[in-house]
Amino acid sequence: GQQVMQIPQYQHVQEGEDFTTYCNSSTTLSNIQWYKQRPGGHPVFLIQLVKSGEVKKQKRLTFQFGEAKKNSSLHITATQTTDVGTYFCAGPGNQGGKLIFGQGTELSVKP
Amino acid sequence: EPEVTQTPSHQVTQMGQEVILRCVPISNHLYFYWYRQILGQKVEFLVSFYNNEISEKSEIFDDQFSVERPDGSNFTLKIRSTKLEDSAMYFCAGGGTLATNEKLFFGSGTQLSVL
Repeated sequence: GQQVMQIPQYQHVQEGEDFTTYCNSSTTLSNIQWYKQRPGGHPVFLIQLVKSGEVKKQKRLTFQFGEAKKNSSLHITATQTTDVGTYFCAGPGNQGGKLIFGQGTELSVKP
Repeated sequence: EPEVTQTPSHQVTQMGQEVILRCVPISNHLYFYWYRQILGQKVEFLVSFYNNEISEKSEIFDDQFSVERPDGSNFTLKIRSTKLEDSAMYFCAGGGTLATNEKLFFGSGTQLSVL
């Protein structure tokens, strides 16, 4: 079945270092979404990418959608302790409507 | 910003017991979902619900599970006879349309512990 995979599973960084998580889909996606889940919290929508090769920025976060629309990345520049959490990518399922989530990348930031 | 409300926040139950997890979606949303997340793992799709019926369900959503929207506002997930492996965080989510580029709003979740 359709799969969305993310790497790495965990990333520990020193505050101020950069962080990147990568997302790959087994099928071409019409769009990809990114969510952040703080420890003990629920997933919160960050952004959606729709176009092939699209790049979007939110302050220190840069999101990219691959040319083939099968992969995506999230890059955080100069991490802060407030960036701690698990970052999930999610793509629409084959039948539409539902979102299929990747396994998530858990980011921890040492001050 | 409007919120999805879930109750209870925690539920402890004995194996074999029935549980009902409740959700109050955002009022103008039309599509509702249940997801679950086993500790430290990914968010897994269970079921989607539209126009008072299930539109899609996953393999996890077997005969022990059911969903209802009994009064047009609350959205419930019932597990008829809980198993140990049902222990997880259950999230309700909603979206305005079935369009696949629609973002989802998640509730804070119900942590279910089956003993």
